[in-house]
Amino acid sequence: DIQMTQSPSSVSASVGDRVTITCRASQGIRTWLAWYQQKPGKAPNLLIYAASSLQSGVPSRFSGSGSGTDFTLTISSLHPEDYATYYCQQANSLPITFGQGTRLEIK
Amino acid sequence: EVQLVESGGALVQPGGSLRLSCAGTGFTFSRYWMHWVRQAPGKGLVWVSRLNSDGTTTDYADSVKGRFIISRDNAKNTLYLQMNSLRAEDTAVYYCARDIAAGQKGWFDPWGQGTLVTVSS
Repeated sequence: DIQMTQSPSSVSASVGDRVTITCRASQGIRTWLAWYQQKPGKAPNLLIYAASSLQSGVPSRFSGSGSGTDFTLTISSLHPEDYATYYCQQANSLPITFGQGTRLEIK
Repeated sequence: EVQLVESGGALVQPGGSLRLSCAGTGFTFSRYWMHWVRQAPGKGLVWVSRLNSDGTTTDYADSVKGRFIISRDNAKNTLYLQMNSLRAEDTAVYYCARDIAAGQKGWFDPWGQGTLVTVSS
């Protein structure tokens, strides 16, 4: 199985800050990576797919980059509604696996 | 509006069975691969199973293989998860999710609201 490791596990930031979350795959996955946002009690919401493609309806302050084993999700300027948990997910091979999550908290 | 609505979650005893349903509306259900993903209380997301558009190809996580069965009825626009030999570690919110585009992609959008399965005596 491909292990997905996110860092940090949690981060505190202020409104307006730039935030970067990293995801590392245990083996190369080309660009078969997605990012999701999940708020408490809600289903996850797809932000980025194919490592850098912005899903329709997602604000442009979200961006993704990377290929192979190392990937990043960047929020260019935090909005109050961005406080949530973020997950990366690989779809290169079965089983599909997720990172452990990164909790983004208000500073 | 594209929507998925799960149902069927309940409290069940260890060793018991349960069938979850996921109804899709607002899109041509029969064109899309569908998935089940679960999340134990306070934990992360875990992929469980997937099914191709015509219901002929299935895949499972090792943790549920031989116990869970994914299926669909395209005439009813509904996905199912038959869960047998349930264990305490199967306790989770179960989400159904659709591939973002017709044909297998592996990116999930949208998701249902989730249905809670609790396995306990």
